[in-house]
Amino acid sequence: NAGVTQTPKFQVLKTGQSMTLQCAQDMNHNSMYWYRQDPGMGLRLIYYSASEGTTDKGEVPNGYNVSRLNKREFSLRLESAAPSQTSVYFCASSERLLAGEDTQYFGPGTRLTVL
Amino acid sequence: EDKVVQSPLSLVVHEGDTVTLNCSYEVTNFRSLLWYKQEKKAPTFLFMLTSSGIEKKSGRLSSILDKKELFSILNITATQTGDSAVYLCAVQGGSQGNLIFGKGTKLSVKP
Repeated sequence: NAGVTQTPKFQVLKTGQSMTLQCAQDMNHNSMYWYRQDPGMGLRLIYYSASEGTTDKGEVPNGYNVSRLNKREFSLRLESAAPSQTSVYFCASSERLLAGEDTQYFGPGTRLTVL
Repeated sequence: EDKVVQSPLSLVVHEGDTVTLNCSYEVTNFRSLLWYKQEKKAPTFLFMLTSSGIEKKSGRLSSILDKKELFSILNITATQTGDSAVYLCAVQGGSQGNLIFGKGTKLSVKP
């Protein structure tokens, strides 16, 4: 089992460019998440998908879109990148968000720099 | 507003010392509190706590939750350089049932 995988590991964009971050999990989890992590800010939730076919906004959704392609895959798209989106992006998955006890497992992260 | 506050923000100790990391929270619809260890990359899961007063242990690490006073502690005994990391506390709850993270405690263990 690879767990949660993310591609790419690193990316540099110019302001205004678009890109999609890919995430896949092989744990048969129902729920998936996208976070960003900035120095001094901790992990902040961008979007999540409680189950296949549903997506919802988290704490900082502006400037992002997501697609739950199937149960395994959850992608994050930046339509027009801005320097404020320079961050490390983590994807996570869990068995079921609305369960009483639900542990999230994280991917290795994507370090994105927007010039 | 739901929030999770960790203290201290950073800590430097020597090998063999015992450390206590703190996490306090104000989160509606509390479901669980989780501790993660983050070295250079992804956070890795340590503990999940849901009941007050029940200690969870894994080797030299232990954690306990107090749901009345709304805090948790993470203890590490006989610290080693490999314990150097950022320790994240997160609470599952809020209106959406998501994880709300603290900013982390950066622990540095010197040889």
